[in-house]
Amino acid sequence: DTGVSQDPRHKITKRGQNVTFRCDPISEHNRLYWYRQTLGQGPEFLTYFQNEAQLEKSRLLSDRFSAERPKGSFSTLEIQRTEQGDSAMYLCASSLQGGYTFGSGTRLTVV
Amino acid sequence: AQSVTQPDIHITVSEGASLELRCNYSYGATPYLFWYVQSPGQGLQLLLKYFSGDTLVQGIKGFEAEFKRSQSSFNLRKPSVHWSDAAEYFCAVGNFGNEKLTFGTGTRLTIIP
Repeated sequence: DTGVSQDPRHKITKRGQNVTFRCDPISEHNRLYWYRQTLGQGPEFLTYFQNEAQLEKSRLLSDRFSAERPKGSFSTLEIQRTEQGDSAMYLCASSLQGGYTFGSGTRLTVV
Repeated sequence: AQSVTQPDIHITVSEGASLELRCNYSYGATPYLFWYVQSPGQGLQLLLKYFSGDTLVQGIKGFEAEFKRSQSSFNLRKPSVHWSDAAEYFCAVGNFGNEKLTFGTGTRLTIIP
């Protein structure tokens, strides 16, 4: 088990383009979380899944954001019509009964 | 709503000196409490966590933290810092049901020779 993997590590995109990030959790973990971290701030919760069900979404997650976790394994986070304010580090984490592990994140830069 | 306050934005400590990073939380029930460390451009590494039981928690890299319910605090300590401890430190409180974490704004630790 290599931990939580996120792909890509870095993404530069033009404003208005769509981007998709992938997260592969620790295989036996049933919960998967997405967080966003802007410069100089702590991570902020976006959404989480228990198996394939998306159970909670933050108000930070506008209608341009969508997350999926088909089959309860990997997850994708898509941002449509990106804006400069979307520039941030997007962190994925997985857990099983309190054992919480973060990935290394995807750094998004919108130019 | 749960919240975390880390009152120190930046702390500078001499190598070999002791360290204490402050964390205060707000949570309606018994909290899950965590300390994470983050190096520039990297993800978060768990240093230690408190769920219940002994209020003095030992973590990795020689760190420890003490849960004080009366003060709503969970301060992180290390008796002797090393240059490699320079990083950003985040305190977080977790929700028992869904394990969603709420983070503080972090404390940046600088180590001087």
